[in-house]
Amino acid sequence: GNSVTQMEGPVTLSEEAFLTINCTYTATGYPSLFWYVQYPGEGLQLLLKATKADDKGSNKGFEATYRKETTSFHLEKGSVQVSDSAVYFCALAYSSASKIIFGSGTRLSIRP
Amino acid sequence: DADVTQTPRNRITKTGKRIMLECSQTKGHDRMYWYRQDPGLGLRLIYYSFDVKDINKGEISDGYSVSRQAQAKFSLSLESAIPNQTALYFCATSEQTGEKLFFGSGTQLSVL
Repeated sequence: GNSVTQMEGPVTLSEEAFLTINCTYTATGYPSLFWYVQYPGEGLQLLLKATKADDKGSNKGFEATYRKETTSFHLEKGSVQVSDSAVYFCALAYSSASKIIFGSGTRLSIRP
Repeated sequence: DADVTQTPRNRITKTGKRIMLECSQTKGHDRMYWYRQDPGLGLRLIYYSFDVKDINKGEISDGYSVSRQAQAKFSLSLESAIPNQTALYFCATSEQTGEKLFFGSGTQLSVL
């Protein structure tokens, strides 16, 4: 079946460090891929998405590239800030299907 | 005002009690969803609705029921709450299947 696997957290970094959060997926065909972010006390919100192979989604300095050959959608940011502290969820969805499949989430904490 | 509003934000109840969580939206979306979030498990779909007359079970519907009172309102009920239903519950909407989800701020439910 379809699934999403994320790197275990929590991830703790110093401000201005480089961030990578790994995400791999198992799916048939060509799903859309998403990263959602959940700030403390809030619901999830879409951070970025990519809809086909080799697409790069980007937003707020974060990037992720849809890699069909490695079935991956790793999230990266060149210089993290304290305000990036949150839980990050990788997800996949098909336009023909009823739901979005989420990974287990990765908690990120940034030290000043 | 928030586009997707959940009430209450927090609820503590006892085993065996009936509980209703409410969700309303101003997005004008037909598609509405209920998810629960547990630490380390990500988000799991409980029920979803594609319009007022269309209700579907998700992956973990046992012990829950829903009502779609109008396009804008989708409520989740626990007929007889049990402790392992302690979780953070999210309502979400989308314009199209497989597209971006818009989340409410969540309801933290504790069943004692």
